[in-house]
Amino acid sequence: GAGVSQSPRYKVAKRGQDVALRCDPISGHVSLFWYQQALGQGPEFLTYFQNEAQLDKSGLPSDRFFAERPEGSVSTLKIQRTQQEDSAVYLCASSQTGTNQPQHFGDGTRLSIL
Amino acid sequence: AQSVTQLDSQVPVFEEAPVELRCNYSSSVSVYLFWYVQYPNQGLQLLLKYLSGSTLVKGINGFEAEFNKSQTSFHLRKPSVHISDTAEYFCAVSERNQGGKLIFGQGTELSVKP
Repeated sequence: GAGVSQSPRYKVAKRGQDVALRCDPISGHVSLFWYQQALGQGPEFLTYFQNEAQLDKSGLPSDRFFAERPEGSVSTLKIQRTQQEDSAVYLCASSQTGTNQPQHFGDGTRLSIL
Repeated sequence: AQSVTQLDSQVPVFEEAPVELRCNYSSSVSVYLFWYVQYPNQGLQLLLKYLSGSTLVKGINGFEAEFNKSQTSFHLRKPSVHISDTAEYFCAVSERNQGGKLIFGQGTELSVKP
């Protein structure tokens, strides 16, 4: 079956530009998570949705970061006025409902800010 | 606040030798524990998880891990590694009633040599 799909796989943007990263979760998965993975580091939590409700956005590093999941399926992570420190791999994961359910990860979007 | 420490950033080992990747966590509440593997330019794949019950957990690809509550550890082991096990390994913890967000360690790079 289809896994978590992220697009684009690679994105290069100039500092100051806005970017949008897309995540298609596994069909029927209620929970959706975004993580940021800097080079050589472990992923760090950004935000979490249950259906269309954003229940935790404590990991978003600044108000330039915004995530949405308007219909409870596809999610978009938007970064406004990008900075060089935003360069990272952005991982999306989905799971069935329940805090003990394993998360299934996409291959990520590698964002490079020039 | 919860945190995860992976004690070794790199572990070189010869093919068919045993390996142990160490993980310690800190949390004031009950947790779920996970090990994920990441191959180059890919997302994370679940190896195994501890939710409750038996402290020895078996996962895919011949890996196993043991939960030790008194030492707050969750070390990953394999009795005989293959070249194909070369990858980055991440230990992660989630606290119950936190929606399932994962806190990851910094990762351990396992390098299997012929």
